[in-house]
Amino acid sequence: GESVGLHLPTLSVQEGDNSIINCAYSNSASDYFIWYKQESGKGPQFIIDIRSNMDKRQGQRVTVLLNKTVKHLSLQIAATQPGDSAVYFCAVNSGYALNFGKGTSLLVTP
Amino acid sequence: DTAVSQTPKYLVTQMGNDKSIKCEQNLGHDTMYWYKQDSKKFLKIMFSYNNKELIINETVPNRFSPKSPDKAHLNLHINSLELGDSAVYFCASAEVGGRVEAFFGQGTRLTVV
Repeated sequence: GESVGLHLPTLSVQEGDNSIINCAYSNSASDYFIWYKQESGKGPQFIIDIRSNMDKRQGQRVTVLLNKTVKHLSLQIAATQPGDSAVYFCAVNSGYALNFGKGTSLLVTP
Repeated sequence: DTAVSQTPKYLVTQMGNDKSIKCEQNLGHDTMYWYKQDSKKFLKIMFSYNNKELIINETVPNRFSPKSPDKAHLNLHINSLELGDSAVYFCASAEVGGRVEAFFGQGTRLTVV
């Protein structure tokens, strides 16, 4: 099955700094990748996605980078704000399965 | 106008009881999921249904029985509850077999005492 992992379980950044959250996956056939944000007491919420035919995609203050050679993706958050404090998951789609990584807790300090 | 709604939000019950969690989506999606999130926040897929048919059963004990009466509903029934079943259970839905973003419900926190 798919193995999805994260390099860092927790990340603390100062408000205004940029944040980078990393994720590794194992199945080279995976073709769709999603980043989710989960705030306390809520369900995961979609942030941004990327397909395997791309290596970079940008949204509002967020950028996802995909390196298929090393099976790695990252989420970059620009000018991190207190409202960005949450747990972030990468998820990898394979057929009907959406498999999640273990999550990184992002803490934004003033 | 909640897209994916689960009930109840909290459920406290004794070991050995049987309980159900309901899920409904109003997005017209074909695919629905149940996930279990443990105390370490790990989200593990339990089941995936597509057009009312079971597609994925990730080695979940047969005490857990999902039921999909129609495409918009995927309920989860749990028999003989155990302490280890305590977790947050999330329902989600997606279209096109999950090849686009999945939408999650608010979760059901199940506590078995």
